[in-house]
Amino acid sequence: AQSVTQLDSHVSVSEGTPVLLRCNYSSSYSPSLFWYVQHPNKGLQLLLKYTSAATLVKGINGFEAEFKKSETSFHLTKPSAHMSDAAEYFCVVSGGQAGTALIFGKGTTLSVSS
Amino acid sequence: EAGVAQSPRYKIIEKRQSVAFWCNPISGHATLYWYQQILGQGPKLLIQFQNNGVVDDSQLPKDRFSAERLKGVDSTLKIQPAKLEDSAVYLCASSSNREVYRDRTLNTEAFFGQGTRLTVV
Repeated sequence: AQSVTQLDSHVSVSEGTPVLLRCNYSSSYSPSLFWYVQHPNKGLQLLLKYTSAATLVKGINGFEAEFKKSETSFHLTKPSAHMSDAAEYFCVVSGGQAGTALIFGKGTTLSVSS
Repeated sequence: EAGVAQSPRYKIIEKRQSVAFWCNPISGHATLYWYQQILGQGPKLLIQFQNNGVVDDSQLPKDRFSAERLKGVDSTLKIQPAKLEDSAVYLCASSSNREVYRDRTLNTEAFFGQGTRLTVV
């Protein structure tokens, strides 16, 4: 069975400062991991994904995440926050094998102040 | 490439009424998901199809919810009768699952539709 825990329900940063959104996962198989972003009244958009290749994954809008098997973590980072980054972020795990479900975390709300 | 299409975008019904949602996935995507997202929470998987077969419906409240995917393309999700706690956004997503790594076919990302916002009063 797969599960994911997002360690912070709400993160607040100032514009131009680094962003860290934390995610731990549990999976019986080699997992595939994803980060999605959801802006208010908009659909879910994929930020980046890890599917057993490079452990440091770069995504859109300057975000990146590192897969650490020993820590069962997949934290999302960005060197410098922008006002437009304010949104809900979801860490998602799947069993890795095709056909297994994508399981969402509860989400982290990122607020960015000027 | 066209995205995942869902309709309607919004629906308001009274409790005990029935409602149906429709989803048209990205062409060629074998996997189709229905998720329920209650306000302030992460999406919860209701049902997963692989082509026209059900892979996982363990969290679908089968006494009131049903879903089908005829011919392995479009899908409909129905609620009958609706309860107040069914108020949520219903998301449809599809995936190709065609990424291969070291002889394993991996679970690739899902592409989501805009969702249907259901309000039960």
